[in-house]
Amino acid sequence: AQKVTQAQTEISVVEKEDVTLDCVYETRDTTYYLFWYKQPPSGELVFLIRRNSFDEQNEISGRYSWNFQKSTSSFNFTITASQVVDSAVYFCALSEANTGRRALTFGSGTRLQVQP
Amino acid sequence: GAVVSQHPSRVICKSGTSVKIECRSLDFQATTMFWYRQFPKQSLMLMATSNEGSKATYEQGVEKDKFLINHASLTLSTLTVTSAHPEDSSFYICSAPSNTEAFFGQGTRLTVV
Repeated sequence: AQKVTQAQTEISVVEKEDVTLDCVYETRDTTYYLFWYKQPPSGELVFLIRRNSFDEQNEISGRYSWNFQKSTSSFNFTITASQVVDSAVYFCALSEANTGRRALTFGSGTRLQVQP
Repeated sequence: GAVVSQHPSRVICKSGTSVKIECRSLDFQATTMFWYRQFPKQSLMLMATSNEGSKATYEQGVEKDKFLINHASLTLSTLTVTSAHPEDSSFYICSAPSNTEAFFGQGTRLTVV
């Protein structure tokens, strides 16, 4: 069975602070995908990143960066110099790759509030 | 532009009535689509897998007779909430996977009064 844990329910920071959202996952699969999504108040899911289990390189995209460590089963997400527009709920998710069952298992989400 | 289109985005219905939600993949054919439900301040939970040309598969605890899924074509899946009750009020969102990504619809916020 798959499981994704986002231990931080809510984080509040002041604008321009850096913030890291934690994600720990469990899976028996050797091949899998990890995702991060942003969900603003409108509800739609905004895709941020997809990473496959064989690619442990860290990724940076503007103010966003991701740290994938298979040794600790973690896929953490850092926002540098946070802005008010970053306020949203962020979900980490996992899907299988081998079986073709590509439904996502979501973590419980982390609500980020960035104060001006 | 949107790759997966979901309609309606918001619907209010009376208890006992049925509501249909459509999910269309716009740029690719999807033999499989997924339906998720999200209660307020909770995570997204997979309800069912919609399979083109065959019956949907439902997750444990999801009533298949209440949540009817029809995958009529390679680009359209519908979810019908039958005999809706206030506890069915939730955010429903569909997803169509491609080889590289899981594309999500905009979601439907259902309120049953």
